[in-house]
Amino acid sequence: EPEVTQTPSHQVTQMGQEVILRCVPISNHLYFYWYRQILGQKVEFLVSFYNNEISEKSEIFDDQFSVERPDGSNFTLKIRSTKLEDSAMYFCASRSTGTGGSSSTDTQYFGPGTRLTVL
Amino acid sequence: DAKTTQPNSMESNEEEPVHLPCNHSTISGTDYIHWYRQLPSQGPEYVIHGLTSNVNNRMASLAIAEDRKSSTLILHRATLRDAAVYYCILMSGANNLFFGTGTRLTVIP
Repeated sequence: EPEVTQTPSHQVTQMGQEVILRCVPISNHLYFYWYRQILGQKVEFLVSFYNNEISEKSEIFDDQFSVERPDGSNFTLKIRSTKLEDSAMYFCASRSTGTGGSSSTDTQYFGPGTRLTVL
Repeated sequence: DAKTTQPNSMESNEEEPVHLPCNHSTISGTDYIHWYRQLPSQGPEYVIHGLTSNVNNRMASLAIAEDRKSSTLILHRATLRDAAVYYCILMSGANNLFFGTGTRLTVIP
């Protein structure tokens, strides 16, 4: 069964450094997402991406964050200058347009996550 | 994002059925009810969704109240692999999932 993959599984970085988290969504999917989960807390939406542009973003997704689909397969999340509070699990997800063509009925498929630790 | 209310935790014995409740009293007519789960140290995983009628798939069943103000996810025979946090989420054209705190299911061998 096709799956979303993410690399690296664990990233350790110093505060103020830039990090790029990588995701390979399921190949025929058109919508892409990043979520994060701080240890012991809820899964939080960061950003959605469709047709090579951001379709929606949360308040968390400030100017320090950016997303890109540099080629036909990868979807990346960049954090320009990491802060201690950016330490979290970051999940990538993707979906196709389902039978109804509606996000209300579509399934999002999540990757295994990248654990980001900012020291 | 419409709100859902779930118990913080539930326990079940292995190989017994589990009924996980969700209240969504402010649900609108176009909201679909989705269930996802998150196994330990993994990303969320889709379980099932429905609108008005009860739904079955290979993982679970979803029973939706007639007034749609509540629903129940039914695992017919809980296994140790079903130990996870289960999230009930309402979707109505929103592009993204809003996760609450969910119900942590513990399966007792």
